[in-house]
Amino acid sequence: DTGVSQDPRHKITKRGQNVTFRCDPISEHNRLYWYRQTLGQGPEFLTYFQNEAQLEKSRLLSDRFSAERPKGSFSTLEIQRTEQGDSAMYLCASSLRDSLNSPLHFGNGTRLTVT
Amino acid sequence: QKEVEQNSGPLSVPEGAIASLNCTYSDRGSQSFFWYRQYSGKSPELIMFIYSNGDKEDGRFTAQLNKASQYVSLLIRDSQPSDSATYLCAVKPGGTSYGKLTFGQGTILTVHP
Repeated sequence: DTGVSQDPRHKITKRGQNVTFRCDPISEHNRLYWYRQTLGQGPEFLTYFQNEAQLEKSRLLSDRFSAERPKGSFSTLEIQRTEQGDSAMYLCASSLRDSLNSPLHFGNGTRLTVT
Repeated sequence: QKEVEQNSGPLSVPEGAIASLNCTYSDRGSQSFFWYRQYSGKSPELIMFIYSNGDKEDGRFTAQLNKASQYVSLLIRDSQPSDSATYLCAVKPGGTSYGKLTFGQGTILTVHP
């Protein structure tokens, strides 16, 4: 069990550029979540996958954001035409099943800075 | 009203004292409750969870849940400087939540020697 892995750790981009982040969940976990966290705030839910199916997407997620999880393994989160307000830590988490006591296990995150 | 609210910080306690962190939630159907610790620049790491009313102890940590009052707390006994971090309360909502957690804004705890 190597934990949830995210790549890259840091990304600096210019406004208007597209960026893509990758997340590799814990191998036996079929549930994968993307969260966004800004300074002084708790993580904010973006989207959720069960295997390869994207089952929920936050109303806060604009059309510039898209996520995929082909073959139910790793996931990518793409942000098109980045804006300065997209600067945040993007966290990926995975879990084994939905039960009362199944926590989310977080990766180290990708810190995005839009200049 | 925010779905999950934590007591405003920062909270500062001396080494060896008990730190008390509080959290309220709005969804009465919420099922389970998690406490995460987050060091600066790092990702959240799970401390413990609770889903039954009452207390649950794990080492120096005790989680307390009162569903009638929609209140959950975390006590840290014998606080150490290494406990200095942001503590996040997370709630698993009722209904079809797909297991996602809703987080509070976090409380910054500083334990000074």
